[in-house]
Amino acid sequence: NAGVTQTPKFQVLKTGQSMTLQCAQDMNHNSMYWYRQDPGMGLRLIYYSASEGTTDKGEVPNGYNVSRLNKREFSLRLESAAPSQTSVYFCASSSRDNYGYTFGSGTRLTVV
Amino acid sequence: AQRVTQPEKLLSVFKGAPVELKCNYSYSGSPELFWYVQYSRQRLQLLLRHISRESIKGFTADLNKGETSFHLKKPFAQEEDSAMYYCALQRPGYSTLTFGKGTMLLVSP
Repeated sequence: NAGVTQTPKFQVLKTGQSMTLQCAQDMNHNSMYWYRQDPGMGLRLIYYSASEGTTDKGEVPNGYNVSRLNKREFSLRLESAAPSQTSVYFCASSSRDNYGYTFGSGTRLTVV
Repeated sequence: AQRVTQPEKLLSVFKGAPVELKCNYSYSGSPELFWYVQYSRQRLQLLLRHISRESIKGFTADLNKGETSFHLKKPFAQEEDSAMYYCALQRPGYSTLTFGKGTMLLVSP
């Protein structure tokens, strides 16, 4: 049982490049989330998907897009990376019974 | 809008000392509250949630609705408790969590 799997673990991009962060969960969870973690800022919600077929903006959505490909997979895309998007990105999932989130191991992204 | 405040960026204690990590929230309703922990270079994991009234790894947290606080406590800190701790709030009917900025706990021998 892998839980929440994120790829890649590390990535360096040049300003203006695009990339997609992948996330998959095998727990049959309905909801999935993307957060970014920055020093002194805690975790901030980028986008979330409350259920398959729906996506909604979080606190800091600018510069990002998401796709809920199916119930298992939720990807985050940076169309034109900027240095301000240097961060650690966490994907998470949850079920409806309020047992909290299960997090992935994170993607450390550096934009130069 | 809801808000979670963790006033201490860093809390440093000696092994065996009591620990209290503070969490205050602002929300007009009755939220669900959680504590998450992140050990060095590991993923975040759920430590405990208010609704369960549980004690995990010796930690407990009491919801004080009057003071809108959910402080995390442990009577005797251990070196392996050193980690980043996040308090989080969930509004009724919503699946998203709002996190505080975190408190780094360092337990020295």
